[in-house]
Amino acid sequence: AQSVTQPDIHITVSEGASLELRCNYSYGATPYLFWYVQSPGQGLQLLLKYFSGDTLVQGIKGFEAEFKRSQSSFNLRKPSVHWSDAAEYFCAVDPYSSASKIIFGSGTRLSIRP
Amino acid sequence: GAVVSQHPSWVICKSGTSVKIECRSLDFQATTMFWYRQFPKQSLMLMATSNEGSKATYEQGVEKDKFLINHASLTLSTLTVTSAHPEDSSFYICSARGTSGGAWQFFGPGTRLTVL
Repeated sequence: AQSVTQPDIHITVSEGASLELRCNYSYGATPYLFWYVQSPGQGLQLLLKYFSGDTLVQGIKGFEAEFKRSQSSFNLRKPSVHWSDAAEYFCAVDPYSSASKIIFGSGTRLSIRP
Repeated sequence: GAVVSQHPSWVICKSGTSVKIECRSLDFQATTMFWYRQFPKQSLMLMATSNEGSKATYEQGVEKDKFLINHASLTLSTLTVTSAHPEDSSFYICSARGTSGGAWQFFGPGTRLTVL
């Protein structure tokens, strides 16, 4: 079945440490891929997207993500997290088929340890 | 950049009443709009897709008679929650795709609905 999976429900990292949030997808062809961040009670903010081309994508706030076709993954990384990065992170896909629409993963809650 | 607004940003209503939420694309024409629902500490679940001038397509398990969607113009879609009950309390987020197509969906800020 087509799906997008975020295996980590909650991750805690120390401020200044590196971060990697995992995302895997299961679609017949490579979909369009996105990472969004949501602070409590707020709307979504697009961090970055991958449509095609360079598999390492740079986003806002120092985030980057790498598309790996062989692993059907699109993991989000940041070399050094800040306390303000604490939020909910959603990986999302758009299959870009005839019924093109963005489908969200279950989300990963990021906590920052002082 | 493309901006999508929602109104109201939050609403409280009594059980049994109907609530209308507006979604507007402010600086572009949206041929397709999407409505998502997000329960506390959960992900966004797509409720329906609407194309301007045609009936909305609802996802499996979403009651079309309860969640009425109207996409009467290229800049406005409305979601009406009919006979709302406490279990309908949620965060409702719309998004819009422009006439240029592609995978560009722009999200609104969301509407918090609380049904007493």
